[in-house]
Amino acid sequence: EIVLTQSPVTLSLSPGERATLSCRASQSVSSSLAWYQQKPGQAPRLLIYDASKRATGIPVRFSGSGSGTDFTLTISSLEPEDFAVYYCQQRSNWAFGQGTKVEVK
Amino acid sequence: EVQLEESGGGLVQPGGSLRLSCAASGFTFSAFTMSWVRQAPGKGLEWLSYIGASPGDLKYADSVRGRFTISRDNAKDSLFLQMNSLRAEDTAVYYCARELGGYYFDIWGQGTLVTVSS
Repeated sequence: EIVLTQSPVTLSLSPGERATLSCRASQSVSSSLAWYQQKPGQAPRLLIYDASKRATGIPVRFSGSGSGTDFTLTISSLEPEDFAVYYCQQRSNWAFGQGTKVEVK
Repeated sequence: EVQLEESGGGLVQPGGSLRLSCAASGFTFSAFTMSWVRQAPGKGLEWLSYIGASPGDLKYADSVRGRFTISRDNAKDSLFLQMNSLRAEDTAVYYCARELGGYYFDIWGQGTLVTVSS
């Protein structure tokens, strides 16, 4: 069973700053990794799939990179609406990471 | 507009049963693999089950296998989750989601809350 570990658990940043979120898989998932954003009381929203492909309507400030076991979600310049929890997810058993909360510093 | 809407959640006693429904609209439901994902209060996301477009294409997470049954009615553009032998740890918001690429979920419903408590 492949386990995804996200870091950090919480990221405290100010609007306009760059956010770098990490997702590490216990075994290679090739490029089959997705990222989601979830705000309180809302369903998750697909941001990135296949490690680096932006989903429809996702702003260009969101980018994904990585392959194998190490993946990164980067938000180039945080907007007020970007403060949320972010999850990664992989193909092998559809499992999600535990999430990273991006909060206002 | 592509949309999913869950219903059927509520309060149920431990050991009880509940059937969740998910109504799809705005896309050719029969052509897509669909999944159920849940989120316990204050916790992360947990994939539970998928049902493919082809008959018999089903899969379950270990945590629900043998207790939950996924099904679909393509004529009614609907997805279902029959939940039996419910436990307190099944308390969560349950989402239905459309699957693409064999694993990721591009469309989600708003969720329905299931509370298992005496």
